Amino acid sequence: KNEVEQSPQNLTAQEGEFITINCSYSVGISALHWLQQHPGGGIVSLFMLSSGKKKHGRLIATINIQEKHSSLHITASHPRDSAVYICAAPLANAGGTSYGKLTFGQGTILTVHP
Amino acid sequence: NAGVTQTPKFQVLKTGQSMTLQCAQDMNHEYMSWYRQDPGMGLRLIHYSVGAGITDQGEVPNGYNVSRSTTEDFPLRLLSAAPSQTSVYFCASSRQRRDYGYTFGSGTRLTVV
Repeated sequence: KNEVEQSPQNLTAQEGEFITINCSYSVGISALHWLQQHPGGGIVSLFMLSSGKKKHGRLIATINIQEKHSSLHITASHPRDSAVYICAAPLANAGGTSYGKLTFGQGTILTVHP
Repeated sequence: NAGVTQTPKFQVLKTGQSMTLQCAQDMNHEYMSWYRQDPGMGLRLIHYSVGAGITDQGEVPNGYNVSRSTTEDFPLRLLSAAPSQTSVYFCASSRQRRDYGYTFGSGTRLTVV
């Protein structure tokens, strides 16, 4: 079982819809990362969360450390939001140090139609 | 400030050939790592480095070598390319802090025929 699980794997929406992508993890982490990858493109960091909620434009990320669960929300979705969204957690040793290593969810392919 | 620079962007190799994927960062980040991205498998860690002169293996290290002679550069070497190494490769860097984010390169799409 992967240490980081995402759902859904594929998501199709109409422009303007509210979108939620979920991420569950089985390891203790210091922070959870949400990443975005456009088709054929590089990986861009959207959020790093250790508690609570963060907002950037139409994107909102939340995390519940006790439940080991995070969500990424997109309000008023737009076709330019079509991308793969990936959650990632640091691979930490027993002492809690990750040494820059990440473990990733499988990614959620989001397609927003006009 | 260029961030993380990967070269080349695309490469086609024949089975058995060797090559080096370059990764350079200008942010003075201590941590650097290499990942490969395959359909249905997500991103997996190949090798990582915590500083100049210090490297270690990740989840899928076989067939790859790394070195870190400077803080800025972390090249990934394919010793004898195999079709199973066809993938998209990403380099990433971060600081030696638990609350610090990651910067990724733009990726190298490698095809081994």
